[in-house]
Amino acid sequence: DQQVKQNSPSLSVQEGRISILNCDYTNSMFDYFLWYKKYPAEGPTFLISISSIKDKNEDGRFTVFLNKSAKHLSLHIVPSQPGDSAVYFCAASPTASGSARQLTFGSGTQLTVLP
Amino acid sequence: EAEVAQSPRYKITEKSQAVAFWCDPISGHATLYWYRQILGQGPELLVQFQDESVVDDSQLPKDRFSAERLKGVDSTLKIQPAELGDSAMYLCASSPLAGVSNEQFFGPGTRLTVL
Repeated sequence: DQQVKQNSPSLSVQEGRISILNCDYTNSMFDYFLWYKKYPAEGPTFLISISSIKDKNEDGRFTVFLNKSAKHLSLHIVPSQPGDSAVYFCAASPTASGSARQLTFGSGTQLTVLP
Repeated sequence: EAEVAQSPRYKITEKSQAVAFWCDPISGHATLYWYRQILGQGPELLVQFQDESVVDDSQLPKDRFSAERLKGVDSTLKIQPAELGDSAMYLCASSPLAGVSNEQFFGPGTRLTVL
């Protein structure tokens, strides 16, 4: 039972255009969401996050949108650059009391930005 | 910049053999996680430590996998005996004390191939 789903295994975008990566979740207890980027032969690196009390968080070229009623979040990259080509993982976490949060990851979307 | 260290980076072994992976988290990070990532899927949590104590090992196949963090700093994950289905990337991540940050910092991983 996948609690975090990324239904698009791959996405190709032209350089300079917008990349939109989508993520759906089923667990109503999730209240914190993160996006990680992963290059081959490296571990995932944190990109951007959003708390459930917000519906938008922006950091430079990266914006994450959260629609709680639809249990859906998306990552927008504008403008897309060739260096953004990587696998993007969506992750979600419930509130944790007394210990650090646990993350549930989606299966990832391979983004390819074409020059 | 502080990083999570893992070794070895690559390991090839034959089934039925024992393998061990090592992780050194970012200094001062109380929480340490071991994940397994199968190709085409997202990381899945195997075990979570808070200092030297196991917080959650419900997804760890305890008949063959073991993990320890004896002094609450570095950690070792062992598989004995290895099976073909254990071929995967094994990722270690660390996080500061609960409530300080929700972000997990990942190491480069150990790519295990079981022949």
